[in-house]
Amino acid sequence: DTGVSQDPRHKITKRGQNVTFRCDPISEHNRLYWYRQTLGQGPEFLTYFQNEAQLEKSRLLSDRFSAERPKGSFSTLEIQRTEQGDSAMYLCASTAREETQYFGPGTRLLVL
Amino acid sequence: SQKIEQNSEALNIQEGKTATLTCNYTNYSPAYLQWYRQDPGRGPVFLLLIRENEKEKRKERLKVTFDTTLKQSLFHITASQPADSATYLCALDIPSNSGYALNFGKGTSLLVTP
Repeated sequence: DTGVSQDPRHKITKRGQNVTFRCDPISEHNRLYWYRQTLGQGPEFLTYFQNEAQLEKSRLLSDRFSAERPKGSFSTLEIQRTEQGDSAMYLCASTAREETQYFGPGTRLLVL
Repeated sequence: SQKIEQNSEALNIQEGKTATLTCNYTNYSPAYLQWYRQDPGRGPVFLLLIRENEKEKRKERLKVTFDTTLKQSLFHITASQPADSATYLCALDIPSNSGYALNFGKGTSLLVTP
């Protein structure tokens, strides 16, 4: 257990529904990242927060995706109008410095 | 664009042998390279970081080498054990990313049999 928690661990939804995931990073970590991982691939960067500011967004983060970190602590990732191609593991990571990242267990999303 | 390649085939070795995993990269001049372990259904776990000015780094049974001329890192697990069976990911920083986000290879699956 790295100290980063994610909720829920699994989510099954129907195409077109909205889903929201939560990440609680290690408390003293000011940097928070979201990644997406599909089967047989490594994690792919989606977005990055430093404290409450969202500073980087990948081109993978379409308009249907939005992320927040309102008080610089926990973060949420929302996917609107889900598509089958959104099925993946969504990983959150945090760090206090620019190198090693501590990953949560992930939220596995299945869109039917 | 930056590309990271890891052994595409799964690696099967016998317990007690040394496992060697390869990470090659192109169009990169990384300041450091990291290795992570990932078990099925879990998030990656950090193992080792090696900087561009370091040739080799060790941690218990793990050893990483970094050759910036060849643009390659080798990851060794000595005296391998069945508990070492997992997917191992190589990661480099995304150059244009201000937050030091990571770019991962696809990973190499290692199976250590008794």
